[in-house]
Order: sequence, then C-alpha cells, then structure tokens
Amino acid sequence: DVKVTQSSRYLVKRTGEKVFLECVQDMDHENMFWYRQDPGLGLRLIYFSYDVKMKEKGDIPEGYSVSREKKERFSLILESASTNQTSMYLCASSRSTANTEAFFGQGTRLTVV
Amino acid sequence: GQSLEQPSEVTAVEGAIVQINCTYQTSGFYGLSWYQQHDGGAPTFLSYNGLDGLEETGRFSSFLSRSDSYGYLLLQELQMKDSASYFCAVSPGAGNMLTFGGGTRLMVKP
Repeated sequence: DVKVTQSSRYLVKRTGEKVFLECVQDMDHENMFWYRQDPGLGLRLIYFSYDVKMKEKGDIPEGYSVSREKKERFSLILESASTNQTSMYLCASSRSTANTEAFFGQGTRLTVV
Repeated sequence: GQSLEQPSEVTAVEGAIVQINCTYQTSGFYGLSWYQQHDGGAPTFLSYNGLDGLEETGRFSSFLSRSDSYGYLLLQELQMKDSASYFCAVSPGAGNMLTFGGGTRLMVKP
C-alpha cells in the first residue's frame, strides 16, 4: 500500500517559534508538495520539489521554507510561526509523468497561539 | 499564475446525476485532475484528462475542453457516501506541479 506519512497529526506552537513539519513517502516518487488548506480557500500550494535539493515556490511561499535532502523526505519549515499560519498542512507526492496521481498524507493541524 | 473556479456548494438527491464545473486560467496547461476529500480525510485521486473529451470511471466521468479552458466532473447514481468536497487541479507543466481550485462541497440528500 502506498504511503505518505506526516510526522504529526496535531501540533500547537507559540508565536515566533521555528516549526518543522516532516513528510515521508515510501513510493520512490520524484515530486513532493506542501499545501495548506483553509475553509473556502481550497488547497494552496506552498512549495513543490521535483528532485532532491530542487524546489519551486508555489502560490503562497512567504513565511515558509523547505528542505529535501533525501528523495523520500520533504520538510516544511516555518521560520517564525505566526497566528495566520494556523491551518491544516497537507503533504503529497507523485511521479513526474503527465497523468500521474498525487498521494496525500493525512495532514497536520497546526495551531499557532 | 494559475486560477481555477468551481462552485462552492452543490446539493443533490440520492440516485440523481450532478455535474461540477471547473474553469481555469493558467500560464501553461498539461492536464486537469479531480480529487475527492471526505471530511477529516485526505484528498484522493479520481480522474485525469490530458486530452479533450470524456473519461469514464464507473459512476464518475470527467470531461475536458482545452479550447474553452473548461472541464467538469459528472457523478451518476449518487450515493450518500458521495457527500464530500471535490477539487479540480491543473498541471501547468510537464513536471506535474499541481494547483487546486477552491473545492465544491457536494451534499447528497436522501
């Protein structure tokens, strides 16, 4: 069974903290994604990685950075958490072919207080 | 940039047919996908259209018109378990970066 695993299901952090969200996939996929999901706004792409150490900014990269040192792991970093980063964060992975499907993790509900 | 428009909510009765539309504006276009997400769950893949026309997968079909920048998801013989949010997503380039629409919440009533 294919799997995308996010390290935490729920997380509470304080304003100004540095926050790491980890994602691991076991499918040898080239592509990995970080999205945030807010009511009424759908899934908004934060960052996309198409290979180890390669990344592209998505629609809302401000306040976030990413790291992909190994093919299977993609980390999202909030350098200094703020309350407007309270959200559901979803990681996904896919093959780098045209009609491939993306597989999602179960999400991390982050609350910044 | 990319933008995708889809209705925010649709309501239908069990056994009916419902169509969820998606229009898009993208800097590049490779294909249109559809995903389903139940409350509290992760999005799961339903279908992909890379070429114009209809793709059928059981009770679900998806249509694409590249010239109109338009697609739709058709759900037939609706069941209560089809109550979920449905997202269209575009791949602007061959690298398969995925950009999603705002989602359509489908409520199926008895």
